[in-house]
Amino acid sequence: SAVISQKPSRDICQRGTSLTIQCQVDSQVTMMFWYRQQPGQSLTLIATANQGSEATYESGFVIDKFPISRPNLTFSTLTVSNMSPEDSSIYLCSVEDRGVEQFFGPGTRLTVL
Amino acid sequence: QQPVQSPQAVILREGEDAVINCSSSKALYSVHWYRQKHGEAPVFLMILLKGGEQKGHEKISASFNEKKQQSSLYLTASQLSYSGTYFCGTRTADSWGKLQFGAGTQVVVTP
Repeated sequence: SAVISQKPSRDICQRGTSLTIQCQVDSQVTMMFWYRQQPGQSLTLIATANQGSEATYESGFVIDKFPISRPNLTFSTLTVSNMSPEDSSIYLCSVEDRGVEQFFGPGTRLTVL
Repeated sequence: QQPVQSPQAVILREGEDAVINCSSSKALYSVHWYRQKHGEAPVFLMILLKGGEQKGHEKISASFNEKKQQSSLYLTASQLSYSGTYFCGTRTADSWGKLQFGAGTQVVVTP
């Protein structure tokens, strides 16, 4: 299966600032996804990031708040903009491998003060 | 639409069995099962594709009933390492790979 890394693994940020999270995969993948997991909650899809096209956002998530880049088939970034304490979550990227299986990166634990 | 998982939590003694259910109101293309331990990312267990196949991972197996739009995960002869939160993720034919996750089932296996 694909090996996925994320940077940073965790961060503590001040309200009003932005953080960019990187997701690197060791093989080329078409489909990449960004999820948010709030404390004690399930996984919520933020957006789908496909190379060569604009990211597709789920209801409740907008590009101005969560801009995404996907410059090639092995890399993507998610920016959390103008952060508030409500953005404190774990952010996970996932990739679709072998056609249908999806694997998660280790996650970025974000705390906003 | 989020699939419905049951039960919310289960406590087992080592060696006991448990079943976790996942049901959807939509026709499903596939069901994906994950286990997440505290402070870690979800780990992929298995995928069940439309066709009703049953799969296994160690002593964990799962079934997929397309007609009922539901899947069940079977924990057999549970081990301490099975503790964690289990999530089902469902994909419909028109979802372009996107998964909707259930609320999760917390499993605690005690000695």
